[in-house]
Amino acid sequence: EVQLVESGGGLVKPGGSLKLSCAVSGFTLRTYTMNWVRQAPGKGLEWVASISPRSDYIYYADSVRGRFTISRDNAKNSLYLQMNSLRADDTAVYYCARELSVFGVLSGLEYWGQGVLVTVSS
Amino acid sequence: EVVMTQSPATLSVSPGERATLSCRASQIILSNLAWYQQKPGQAPRLLIFGASNVAPGVPARFSGSGSGTDFTLTISSLQSEDFAVYYCQQYSHWPRTFGPGTKVDFK
Repeated sequence: EVQLVESGGGLVKPGGSLKLSCAVSGFTLRTYTMNWVRQAPGKGLEWVASISPRSDYIYYADSVRGRFTISRDNAKNSLYLQMNSLRADDTAVYYCARELSVFGVLSGLEYWGQGVLVTVSS
Repeated sequence: EVVMTQSPATLSVSPGERATLSCRASQIILSNLAWYQQKPGQAPRLLIFGASNVAPGVPARFSGSGSGTDFTLTISSLQSEDFAVYYCQQYSHWPRTFGPGTKVDFK
């Protein structure tokens, strides 16, 4: 069974840092592109970042570029999101999600974790 | 970036009725579109990828169509478990972008 479990969320002051982790099981992480998606309270979904299987392609939303860093450790079956210079508008539930690959073509987010809440407030 | 719009914002439907949700991209995205369903307190669920391909395990009453800039998600006969928010997402261009969502609620 495919499982993705996020951890590392919590309350942090503006300007602070936090590192999220996503532990995966039930599949071989090194063969999949992985993503982080967030959802502010009562709002819609916002894609945050994506990382290719060997970390050679990394993309960020404009809203987090330069502040957030996505990384992965395939040997540890884990995905990470280092978040620095946090702002109030980064407050959200953060989801990790596995990309569907159809004949090598990325095709949407097939499996999602349950999400972890990050609250940025003084 | 590609801006995704969805209409209507809210769709009120009775069980058994057909629901038609629209999604539009600000530029051509071919068929690189996915639809997701999200219920309160839950993670999103992939319903449709490639604009018209039903994801594994998704009931056959869900279907998608369209290409280029205009897309449609159809629920042929709404069931009680289908009341939720539905999002479209384009994956043709970086950054990936989601639409604002359509809430399907009980009429």
